[in-house]
Amino acid sequence: AQKITQTQPGMFVQEKEAVTLDCTYDTSDPSYGLFWYKQPSSGEMIFLIYQGSYDQQNATEGRYSLNFQKARKSANLVISASQLGDSAMYFCAMREGYSTGGFKTIFGAGTRLFVKA
Amino acid sequence: DGGITQSPKYLFRKEGQNVTLSCEQNLNHDAMYWYRQDPGQGLRLIYYSQIVNDFQKGDIAEGYSVSREKKESFPLTVTSAQKNPTAFYLCASRRMDKGNSPLHFGNGTRLTVT
Repeated sequence: AQKITQTQPGMFVQEKEAVTLDCTYDTSDPSYGLFWYKQPSSGEMIFLIYQGSYDQQNATEGRYSLNFQKARKSANLVISASQLGDSAMYFCAMREGYSTGGFKTIFGAGTRLFVKA
Repeated sequence: DGGITQSPKYLFRKEGQNVTLSCEQNLNHDAMYWYRQDPGQGLRLIYYSQIVNDFQKGDIAEGYSVSREKKESFPLTVTSAQKNPTAFYLCASRRMDKGNSPLHFGNGTRLTVT
């Protein structure tokens, strides 16, 4: 069965520094996608970045990059040059490929990031 | 602008009453989803639908029901059979033609049952 694990309930980072949020996953499907979402205190979910299981390069989107280590089944989110507005809950999520349905996206428990001024 | 609208933002009900949460999207997405979020926890899938008049149970469907009579609408009913209904409910949708399409979320409905 597919599973997402985020082992850091909370993280602190100094403004302007980089921070890595950990995510490990488990799936038997060779085709899958990994997503990161941000949830500010207002509650809305904001899509940040996507990595496909067959992508050769790590995904990047502005200050966000994904450190994808397929053999270790990890997909860590790296936020560079942290800003106060980055303080939020961050969720790692996975969707398996169409060979096993491909319609469900499951989420990890999340990591709450606090950016200090 | 296209998006997903969930209403109301806050909902209060007495125990034993059924309550329906609204979710409407104008993104022309085929797939729609309902998730439940409890404090400090991740999102758990309740129901999802890929096409009109069809839907499937997620991981925690007991005590909930849905309908998908129109592509744009996917209402969720929290029945009196749901033992712990107080939670934050998020509706989402996505395109089905691309495997890398992300979920688009509404702003959520916070349900409190006393």
